[in-house]
Amino acid sequence: ETGVTQTPRHLVMGMTNKKSLKCEQHLGHNAMYWYKQSAKKPLELMFVYNFKEQTENNSVPSRFSPECPNSSHLFLHLHTLQPEDSALYLCASSQDKGRPGETQYFGPGTRLLVL
Amino acid sequence: GIQVEQSPPDLILQEGANSTLRCNFSDSVNNLQWFHQNPWGQLINLFYIPSGTKQNGRLSATTVATERYSLLYISSSQTTDSGVYFCAAGPNFNKFYFGSGTKLNVKP
Repeated sequence: ETGVTQTPRHLVMGMTNKKSLKCEQHLGHNAMYWYKQSAKKPLELMFVYNFKEQTENNSVPSRFSPECPNSSHLFLHLHTLQPEDSALYLCASSQDKGRPGETQYFGPGTRLLVL
Repeated sequence: GIQVEQSPPDLILQEGANSTLRCNFSDSVNNLQWFHQNPWGQLINLFYIPSGTKQNGRLSATTVATERYSLLYISSSQTTDSGVYFCAAGPNFNKFYFGSGTKLNVKP
């Protein structure tokens, strides 16, 4: 596998379920990101990790819980979501966070539907 | 946060035409990026350009930081240029805000 992969690609869950989204990068990068793309709102940067440490949480509700066990893997744990959380969740990685000009490489996304 | 406005919201071009997409932002920024999302949802980082001009093939971008706007130029457009172009601006790489995008449709 090359690049940034995300699983699952599609997910349907009820509001009481707990699920996790997985992102894996095969690029040897140190920084990873979660984004949310809703139908009615602009793209939003949710979380930033650099060298496994969370460096930013952009006012994301606690029902979204990120985990970065190593520089290659990033998870987004979901619990008690709301229908308005239905969106495309995109993962990205870059060589290093904070260096100006770092190019981010994106995965294909997980399309989430909350019923 | 910073307000980011993009124009036009929609654009239809004939293959071979040139176009200019605009991004206005409400405050001074240290991070300004352009992205392209193809019709299948794949997002690509095009430019990091908080100021100045950059070119990459048929695409170029210019940011006039003092006047708080950035322009993305597409020359000799191709059908593969279709998709949505997003601008994102912010104080740093940890915090930045996206515009609503310009949806481009290049017809053969």
